[in-house]
Amino acid sequence: DTAVSQTPKYLVTQMGNDKSIKCEQNLGHDTMYWYKQDSKKFLKIMFSYNNKELIINETVPNRFSPKSPDKAHLNLHINSLELGDSAVYFCASSQVATDTQYFGPGTRLTVL
Amino acid sequence: GQQLNQSPQSMFIQEGEDVSMNCTSSSIFNTWLWYKQDPGEGPVLLIALYKAGELTSNGRLTAQFGITRKDSFLNISASIPSDVGIYFCAGANQAGTALIFGKGTTLSVSS
Repeated sequence: DTAVSQTPKYLVTQMGNDKSIKCEQNLGHDTMYWYKQDSKKFLKIMFSYNNKELIINETVPNRFSPKSPDKAHLNLHINSLELGDSAVYFCASSQVATDTQYFGPGTRLTVL
Repeated sequence: GQQLNQSPQSMFIQEGEDVSMNCTSSSIFNTWLWYKQDPGEGPVLLIALYKAGELTSNGRLTAQFGITRKDSFLNISASIPSDVGIYFCAGANQAGTALIFGKGTTLSVSS
Protein backbone atom coordinates (compact mmCIF):
# COMPACT_ATOMS: atom_id res chain seq x y z
CA ASP A 1 0.00 0.00 0.00
CA THR A 2 1.29 3.43 -0.91
CA ALA A 3 1.61 5.65 2.15
CA VAL A 4 1.61 9.04 0.41
CA SER A 5 0.38 9.12 -3.16
CA GLN A 6 0.20 11.93 -5.68
CA THR A 7 -1.47 12.29 -9.05
CA PRO A 8 -0.50 12.90 -11.71
CA LYS A 9 3.15 11.85 -11.79
CA TYR A 10 3.81 14.04 -14.83
CA LEU A 11 1.96 17.17 -15.90
CA VAL A 12 2.80 19.07 -19.07
CA THR A 13 0.77 22.17 -19.81
CA GLN A 14 0.78 25.54 -21.51
CA MET A 15 1.46 28.87 -19.85
CA GLY A 16 -1.68 30.49 -18.54
CA ASN A 17 -3.53 27.25 -17.84
CA ASP A 18 -4.93 26.19 -14.48
CA LYS A 19 -4.00 22.78 -13.10
CA SER A 20 -4.38 20.71 -9.93
CA ILE A 21 -2.23 18.11 -8.23
CA LYS A 22 -3.82 15.69 -5.78
CA CYS A 23 -2.28 14.14 -2.70
CA GLU A 24 -3.57 11.47 -0.37
CA GLN A 25 -2.01 9.81 2.67
CA ASN A 26 -3.22 6.63 4.34
CA LEU A 27 -0.94 6.91 7.37
CA GLY A 28 -3.51 8.55 9.60
CA HIS A 29 -1.28 11.61 9.94
CA ASP A 30 -2.57 14.97 11.12
CA THR A 31 -0.31 17.22 9.08
CA MET A 32 0.33 17.46 5.36
CA TYR A 33 2.75 19.58 3.36
CA TRP A 34 3.59 20.71 -0.14
CA TYR A 35 7.21 21.19 -1.15
CA LYS A 36 8.72 22.47 -4.38
CA GLN A 37 11.99 21.04 -5.70
CA ASP A 38 13.73 23.20 -8.25
CA SER A 39 16.12 22.19 -11.01
CA LYS A 40 19.04 22.34 -8.56
CA LYS A 41 17.22 19.79 -6.35
CA PHE A 42 16.62 22.32 -3.58
CA LEU A 43 13.53 21.39 -1.51
CA LYS A 44 11.48 24.27 -0.16
CA ILE A 45 8.28 24.22 1.89
CA MET A 46 5.25 25.87 0.32
CA PHE A 47 2.32 25.04 2.59
CA SER A 48 1.40 22.98 5.61
CA TYR A 49 -2.03 21.92 6.84
CA ASN A 50 -2.91 20.44 10.21
CA ASN A 51 -6.33 18.80 10.46
CA LYS A 52 -7.52 20.72 7.39
CA GLU A 53 -6.28 24.03 8.76
CA LEU A 54 -3.52 26.04 7.07
CA ILE A 55 -0.60 26.49 9.47
CA ILE A 56 2.29 27.36 7.18
CA ASN A 57 2.13 29.53 4.12
CA GLU A 58 5.54 30.49 2.87
CA THR A 59 6.08 33.27 0.39
CA VAL A 60 4.27 31.62 -2.47
CA PRO A 61 2.37 33.49 -5.21
CA ASN A 62 -1.36 33.53 -4.55
CA ARG A 63 -1.81 31.70 -7.85
CA PHE A 64 -1.09 28.63 -5.72
CA SER A 65 -3.99 27.57 -3.55
CA PRO A 66 -3.93 24.45 -1.38
CA LYS A 67 -7.19 22.77 -0.47
CA SER A 68 -7.70 20.15 2.20
CA PRO A 69 -11.14 18.48 2.01
CA ASP A 70 -10.20 16.16 4.90
CA LYS A 71 -7.07 15.40 6.85
CA ALA A 72 -6.06 12.60 4.47
CA HIS A 73 -6.04 14.83 1.40
CA LEU A 74 -4.19 17.99 0.44
CA ASN A 75 -4.58 19.17 -3.12
CA LEU A 76 -2.66 21.95 -4.83
CA HIS A 77 -4.35 24.13 -7.41
CA ILE A 78 -2.29 26.46 -9.56
CA ASN A 79 -3.83 29.26 -11.60
CA SER A 80 -2.32 31.04 -14.59
CA LEU A 81 0.72 28.81 -14.81
CA GLU A 82 4.05 30.45 -15.59
CA LEU A 83 7.29 29.05 -16.98
CA GLY A 84 8.95 29.45 -13.58
CA ASP A 85 6.43 27.10 -12.03
CA SER A 86 8.13 24.17 -13.76
CA ALA A 87 9.50 21.97 -10.98
CA VAL A 88 8.82 18.79 -9.08
CA TYR A 89 6.17 19.17 -6.40
CA PHE A 90 6.19 16.83 -3.41
CA CYS A 91 3.46 16.17 -0.93
CA ALA A 92 4.43 14.93 2.54
CA SER A 93 2.71 14.06 5.80
CA SER A 94 3.59 13.64 9.46
CA GLN A 95 2.08 13.20 12.87
CA VAL A 96 1.97 16.50 14.74
CA ALA A 97 3.90 15.01 17.64
CA THR A 98 6.93 14.12 15.54
CA ASP A 99 8.83 15.86 12.81
CA THR A 100 9.33 12.77 10.72
CA GLN A 101 7.78 13.52 7.37
CA TYR A 102 6.98 10.97 4.69
CA PHE A 103 7.06 12.05 1.08
CA GLY A 104 5.03 11.16 -1.96
CA PRO A 105 6.67 10.22 -5.27
CA GLY A 106 6.41 13.74 -6.68
CA THR A 107 4.67 15.41 -9.61
CA ARG A 108 6.90 16.77 -12.34
CA LEU A 109 5.24 19.89 -13.71
CA THR A 110 6.47 21.27 -17.01
CA VAL A 111 5.05 24.56 -18.24
CA LEU A 112 5.62 25.28 -21.93
CA GLY B 1 15.87 32.44 8.39
CA GLN B 2 17.54 29.20 9.37
CA GLN B 3 19.85 27.63 6.84
CA LEU B 4 21.55 24.28 6.63
CA ASN B 5 24.97 23.86 5.11
CA GLN B 6 25.43 20.36 3.76
CA SER B 7 28.74 19.05 2.53
CA PRO B 8 30.15 17.76 0.39
CA GLN B 9 27.98 18.74 -2.55
CA SER B 10 28.97 15.59 -4.44
CA MET B 11 31.10 12.51 -3.96
CA PHE B 12 32.52 9.97 -6.36
CA ILE B 13 33.67 6.78 -4.67
CA GLN B 14 34.53 3.18 -5.36
CA GLU B 15 32.29 0.36 -4.27
CA GLY B 16 33.27 -0.82 -0.82
CA GLU B 17 34.47 2.56 0.41
CA ASP B 18 33.02 4.33 3.43
CA VAL B 19 31.31 7.69 2.99
CA SER B 20 30.73 10.56 5.36
CA MET B 21 28.61 13.69 4.89
CA ASN B 22 27.48 16.35 7.31
CA CYS B 23 25.19 19.26 7.91
CA THR B 24 25.67 22.32 10.04
CA SER B 25 23.24 25.00 11.07
CA SER B 26 23.54 28.54 12.35
CA SER B 27 20.89 27.78 14.98
CA ILE B 28 19.75 24.81 16.99
CA PHE B 29 17.34 22.11 15.91
CA ASN B 30 15.27 19.67 17.96
CA THR B 31 15.21 17.05 15.22
CA TRP B 32 17.60 15.98 12.50
CA LEU B 33 16.51 13.73 9.67
CA TRP B 34 18.41 12.12 6.84
CA TYR B 35 16.68 11.32 3.56
CA LYS B 36 17.74 9.65 0.34
CA GLN B 37 16.23 10.54 -3.02
CA ASP B 38 16.52 8.23 -6.01
CA PRO B 39 15.98 9.66 -9.52
CA GLY B 40 12.32 10.25 -10.23
CA GLU B 41 11.26 9.43 -6.69
CA GLY B 42 10.44 11.29 -3.52
CA PRO B 43 12.83 11.53 -0.57
CA VAL B 44 12.78 8.43 1.61
CA LEU B 45 13.56 8.67 5.30
CA LEU B 46 16.75 6.88 6.33
CA ILE B 47 17.33 7.91 9.92
CA ALA B 48 15.57 10.21 12.38
CA LEU B 49 17.38 11.75 15.36
CA TYR B 50 15.51 13.36 18.22
CA LYS B 51 18.05 13.88 20.98
CA ALA B 52 21.35 15.74 21.18
CA GLY B 53 24.23 13.28 21.16
CA GLU B 54 22.07 10.47 19.79
CA LEU B 55 23.85 7.98 17.55
CA THR B 56 21.57 5.78 15.47
CA SER B 57 22.26 3.05 12.94
CA ASN B 58 20.18 1.62 10.14
CA GLY B 59 22.07 -1.23 8.50
CA ARG B 60 25.22 0.22 6.96
CA LEU B 61 24.10 3.75 7.78
CA THR B 62 24.98 5.59 10.97
CA ALA B 63 23.93 9.12 11.87
CA GLN B 64 24.56 11.33 14.87
CA PHE B 65 22.80 14.35 16.32
CA GLY B 66 25.54 16.76 17.39
CA ILE B 67 25.67 17.71 21.05
CA THR B 68 25.49 21.40 20.19
CA ARG B 69 22.24 20.63 18.30
CA LYS B 70 23.65 22.55 15.36
CA ASP B 71 25.07 19.69 13.34
CA SER B 72 24.61 16.11 12.23
CA PHE B 73 26.57 13.62 10.18
CA LEU B 74 25.69 10.53 8.17
CA ASN B 75 28.13 7.71 7.51
CA ILE B 76 27.66 4.92 4.99
CA SER B 77 29.96 1.95 5.36
CA ALA B 78 31.02 -0.45 2.60
CA SER B 79 29.14 1.40 -0.13
CA ILE B 80 27.37 -0.52 -2.87
CA PRO B 81 26.06 0.65 -6.27
CA SER B 82 22.47 1.03 -5.02
CA ASP B 83 23.68 3.69 -2.55
CA VAL B 84 23.78 6.08 -5.52
CA GLY B 85 21.41 9.00 -5.09
CA ILE B 86 21.01 12.36 -3.42
CA TYR B 87 21.21 12.46 0.37
CA PHE B 88 19.49 15.29 2.19
CA CYS B 89 19.75 16.36 5.77
CA ALA B 90 16.74 18.13 7.22
CA GLY B 91 16.10 19.81 10.52
CA ALA B 92 13.13 21.05 12.47
CA ASN B 93 12.98 23.17 15.60
CA GLN B 94 9.37 22.45 16.44
CA ALA B 95 7.10 19.46 15.91
CA GLY B 96 4.72 19.83 13.01
CA THR B 97 6.62 22.70 11.43
CA ALA B 98 8.24 22.67 8.05
CA LEU B 99 11.52 20.89 7.62
CA ILE B 100 14.50 22.91 6.50
CA PHE B 101 16.53 20.95 4.01
CA GLY B 102 20.20 20.99 3.15
CA LYS B 103 21.08 21.29 -0.52
CA GLY B 104 21.92 17.61 -0.80
CA THR B 105 24.96 15.44 -1.36
CA THR B 106 25.00 13.58 -4.66
CA LEU B 107 26.69 10.22 -4.25
CA SER B 108 28.10 8.26 -7.18
CA VAL B 109 29.48 4.77 -6.66
CA SER B 110 31.56 3.00 -9.27
CA SER B 111 31.90 -0.76 -9.20
